[in-house]
Amino acid sequence: DADVTQTPRNRITKTGKRIMLECSQTKGHDRMYWYRQDPGLGLRLIYYSFDVKDINKGEISDGYSVSRQAQAKFSLSLESAIPNQTALYFCATSDLLQGKTGELFFGEGSRLTVL
Amino acid sequence: AQKITQTQPGMFVQEKEAVTLDCTYDTSDQSYGLFWYKQPSSGEMIFLIYQGSYDEQNATEGRYSLNFQKARKSANLVISASQLGDSAMYFCAMREIYSGAGSYQLTFGKGTKLSVIP
Repeated sequence: DADVTQTPRNRITKTGKRIMLECSQTKGHDRMYWYRQDPGLGLRLIYYSFDVKDINKGEISDGYSVSRQAQAKFSLSLESAIPNQTALYFCATSDLLQGKTGELFFGEGSRLTVL
Repeated sequence: AQKITQTQPGMFVQEKEAVTLDCTYDTSDQSYGLFWYKQPSSGEMIFLIYQGSYDEQNATEGRYSLNFQKARKSANLVISASQLGDSAMYFCAMREIYSGAGSYQLTFGKGTKLSVIP
């Protein structure tokens, strides 16, 4: 089983619908992230959380919200989806104990299409 | 200004040849980390290699090496003996360690698509 699991893996929805992407991890990491990938733009940070009580906006948070339900769960919501939110979404975790690199461990991605 | 610049949208390399993927970065921090990730067509993100700003030796991981030139702010990925399975998108990323509210995030470049020709 994957250490970082995203659901759903694929979703097609219509403009104006509310969508939630869920992420759970078994790595025991405190830090969790949501990134968005668009062709030619790389990965851009939407939100990140360093623990259950800590939520921070990233580079492109407008139109998104998040919830950190537990150390292992971090969900991303689109309250009213619009077509330009069509993208591949990644959840990631990291561990910054001393001596570690802080690399991100990614989920398999959630491909969202908004019609 | 972009923090991570990958100037090669696409690259071709002959199988068994070496290839260098370019990455330049911009930071005023003295302490930072540089990463390369691979994304095959299946979509997953695979961590390849890491270089810390204070590491004196260039990082190596199997066929991957990072050509770190601190004064030039470049962190190029070198893949030796290319294989067909190396065909993928490659992303360079940076983590600034002491940049206040943004610390510990990874900032990614736009990627380079590598195609290995048989």
